Amino acid sequence: GESVGLHLPTLSVQEGDNSIINCAYSNSASDYFIWYKQESGKGPQFIIDIRSNMDKRQGQRVTVLLNKTVKHLSLQIAATQPGDSAVYFCAETPNYGNNRLAFGKGNQVVVIP
Amino acid sequence: DAGVIQSPRHEVTEMGQEVTLRCKPISGHNSLFWYRQTMMRGLELLIYFNNNVPIDDSGMPEDRFSAKMPNASFSTLKIQPSEPRDSAVYFCASNRQGAGYGYEQYFGPGTRLTVT
Repeated sequence: GESVGLHLPTLSVQEGDNSIINCAYSNSASDYFIWYKQESGKGPQFIIDIRSNMDKRQGQRVTVLLNKTVKHLSLQIAATQPGDSAVYFCAETPNYGNNRLAFGKGNQVVVIP
Repeated sequence: DAGVIQSPRHEVTEMGQEVTLRCKPISGHNSLFWYRQTMMRGLELLIYFNNNVPIDDSGMPEDRFSAKMPNASFSTLKIQPSEPRDSAVYFCASNRQGAGYGYEQYFGPGTRLTVT
């Protein structure tokens, strides 16, 4: 196994507070963006997506914001709950019509009860 | 509906042994992806298939890795011979590619591989 681990950025948030997770992407041609949640011992789970022709999309307790000018994506979680503790990944399609997703390194969210 | 199914969930093997990981995609999905996840490198795409045909295998580390998809409901990822540095969690994901569909991929629970 590995002797040195990748230290993920960690956000500690009090239960009930709002969380904001940020992601920078590099390819200005990316057309589609997704946020995934990965709980310990499980596979990544789709949360919400957004296309490049939008700058905001809302789901249940989650909002994704896209700023194409600075190539920045964020995920806002309202009223964070203990079950929101996980690693969150952003992903993008680098080429329009290509079925590949390029994943970021992830952000750890720890909810403090 | 059943999600993506992977087996085994855990595999411990000795260096030099052959390892075969299995995946059953979600019924009706026509694309299948194999990923590897480690703390050092994060989530890496190894290979993906569309309609059972390998489209992009540029992420396959070396000739020791091979993947097959003999039909729409089954795929294997084989490592022969295995090495300790292959230790990782291997995920299979699937989606339906085509007009009107998004790009979200649905992941299985993963196979945790440990090579000693």
